Amino acid sequence: QKEVEQNSGPLSVPEGAIASLNCTYSDRGSQSFFWYRQYSGKSPELIMFIYSNGDKEDGRFTAQLNKASQYVSLLIRDSQPSDSATYLCAATGGGGNKLTFGTGTQLKVEL
Amino acid sequence: KAGVTQTPRYLIKTRGQQVTLSCSPISGHRSVSWYQQTPGQGLQFLFEYFSETQRNKGNFPGRFSGRQFSNSRSEMNVSTLELGDSALYLCASSFKTSGGPSYEQYFGPGTRLTVT
Repeated sequence: QKEVEQNSGPLSVPEGAIASLNCTYSDRGSQSFFWYRQYSGKSPELIMFIYSNGDKEDGRFTAQLNKASQYVSLLIRDSQPSDSATYLCAATGGGGNKLTFGTGTQLKVEL
Repeated sequence: KAGVTQTPRYLIKTRGQQVTLSCSPISGHRSVSWYQQTPGQGLQFLFEYFSETQRNKGNFPGRFSGRQFSNSRSEMNVSTLELGDSALYLCASSFKTSGGPSYEQYFGPGTRLTVT
């Protein structure tokens, strides 16, 4: 069983819509959760991180964490074609900096 | 601030050879982590160095090793290369999140290694 799971997609949304990306994790010791965006042929780019239950907003992005359900999500409002990329969810546990990644969800924003 | 730099960006090696990859973290960051990314296995953690000491290690064979220098620059070495080592090798530079339990990790552009 993978420790961090994501639906591989592709998830297709029309321009201007809300894209909802989901992630579940199995290690209850995980403390912090990260969302990265990766364009084809590029390295991952940090979008947001969250470590407290609830919502965290940054511009068009909102991260949501529910530790009881072991669930993390990323909402992208007013989706743009430039948001088309693979979104990677990652978790860290206690001690050190090891990020455990999901396999990523491919998002396509269509005109 | 300059971002994370990695050299070389592309590398082609033959099976059995060894390779050394270099990473310079963001100025002031003392933690450097290495990851391997392949289409089949995704992003996998190799190891982390903090203040010249290995702090964490992933599940990779001993052919994969690393080190960190006093200026926080890091190198990773892969000996006796195998075809399966072909991957994008990513270095991440980290600092502690303000008020949080973890570190924010920022990735370099990566080194694309091809083993033939």
